[in-house]
Amino acid sequence: DTAVSQTPKYLVTQMGNDKSIKCEQNLGHDTMYWYKQDSKKFLKIMFSYNNKELIINETVPNRFSPKSPDKAHLNLHINSLELGDSAVYFCASSQDAGEDTEAFFGQGTRLTVV
Amino acid sequence: EDQVTQSPEALRLQEGESSSLNCSYTVSGLRGLFWYRQDPGKGPEFLFTLYSAGEEKEKERLKATLTKKESFLHITAPKPEDSATYLCAVLDSNYQLIWGAGTKLIIKP
Repeated sequence: DTAVSQTPKYLVTQMGNDKSIKCEQNLGHDTMYWYKQDSKKFLKIMFSYNNKELIINETVPNRFSPKSPDKAHLNLHINSLELGDSAVYFCASSQDAGEDTEAFFGQGTRLTVV
Repeated sequence: EDQVTQSPEALRLQEGESSSLNCSYTVSGLRGLFWYRQDPGKGPEFLFTLYSAGEEKEKERLKATLTKKESFLHITAPKPEDSATYLCAVLDSNYQLIWGAGTKLIIKP
């Protein structure tokens, strides 16, 4: 059983397009995250949702919009894709947002904008 | 500004050659320090959480230690399957998780 699953694994698209990445966790966790890992391998948090409420929204462009229909899902929608959006995007979940934030990560979605 | 720095960027070892990876941090109030392992094409996998200076945790050939300024991940008699990128992350007083860039560890048979 996959704990955190995200789709698609690879996404190649043209500049200006709109795309979505889906994420689901079956761990019963209350908090879900979206991270961006750039070419230098830095993981940067983009969004965090706790029980469907946004609790962190780092300064990402408003072309990125997270959507959480329920606490097991956190999808990422990106409008008007740009070349600089190319990266690996990871979804993760944890039991809560406190000190015991052992996070479980999905496999990642490699987004390439051409 | 909170910062997490890992060194070295890459480390090549022979099988059985023990060594240590470093994670130094400057944060406003440490709530926890986390070590993760990341294999190519996969998401990070949790290894350890350390909460206070002096704390140590072990798992198979890995041992993590913590001081007020840094953490070490000691690897004893590594095997090729230990090859991966090891990531360190720090949770600060505002519950912000700050990640290091990782150390790529290569163990040659």
